[in-house]
Amino acid sequence: RKEVEQDPGPFNVPEGATVAFNCTYSNSASQSFFWYRQDCRKEPKLLMSVYSSGNEDGRFTAQLNRASQYISLLIRDSKLSDSATYLCVAQGWAGNMLTFGGGTRLMVKP
Amino acid sequence: EAGVTQFPSHSVIEKGQTVTLRCDPISGHDNLYWYRRVMGKEIKFLLHFVKESKQDESGMPNNRFLAERTGGTYSTLKVQPAELEDSGVYFCASSQDPRTGINTEAFFGQGTRLTVV
Repeated sequence: RKEVEQDPGPFNVPEGATVAFNCTYSNSASQSFFWYRQDCRKEPKLLMSVYSSGNEDGRFTAQLNRASQYISLLIRDSKLSDSATYLCVAQGWAGNMLTFGGGTRLMVKP
Repeated sequence: EAGVTQFPSHSVIEKGQTVTLRCDPISGHDNLYWYRRVMGKEIKFLLHFVKESKQDESGMPNNRFLAERTGGTYSTLKVQPAELEDSGVYFCASSQDPRTGINTEAFFGQGTRLTVV
C-alpha cells in the first residue's frame, strides 16, 4: 500500500467549476502536509500547506483530518491556468523527507 | 535570487554507461534532497544531505547510486553502471535548516530527465 494515496484522475471540469481532491496517508507519525502543483515537464511547486484548522488561499481551501488521516483540496471558480497535476505530500517533521502521492491530474476546459 | 539548478536537463545514455547529475541548491540552504520519478510512479525520496553529511540515504535503490556533497554546497548523483530501470526524472530540492530558518519550504529544481537505452 502506498503511504500517500490519491485518485489519479483526470478530472475534466469546465471553467468556473468547483473541484475537490482527496488524499489519504497511512503513516500516523506524519506531522506536516502540503499540496504541491506540478505542470507538465516542470518541477513540483508548493501550492499551500495544510493545517487541521483548515486554511484558505484565494480560491484554494485545504483541510486536514488527522483522525481519518485524510487531506483535501478544494478549488473554486476553476481557471484554465489551474490545469496541472496536484500532488498530496506528507512530511515527518520540518526538514525531513517529503512523501508524495501519485498526483491528481486536473484539466480545466473552456 | 537563483533557484535550485540542475544539470544536465536531459541525458540519454546506453546501459552500462556512467552518468553524473549535478544540483546547485539555493544559497544558504543546508538541506539538500534527491528525489526520483520513474514512469507511471510517484516521486520517491532518494537521500537527504544536511550540509556535507548524509542525513538519510534510505531511499537509494542500490549501490550503483552514489551521491556526494563535498563542502556542503553543490551535490552530485552518479549512476554507475546505468540500467534501463534507472530511467526517469531526477529532482533535487533544497530547504533551510528548520533550526535556523523561518521558511522551511522545499524548493525543487527543474529536474534531469535520464533515459537509459
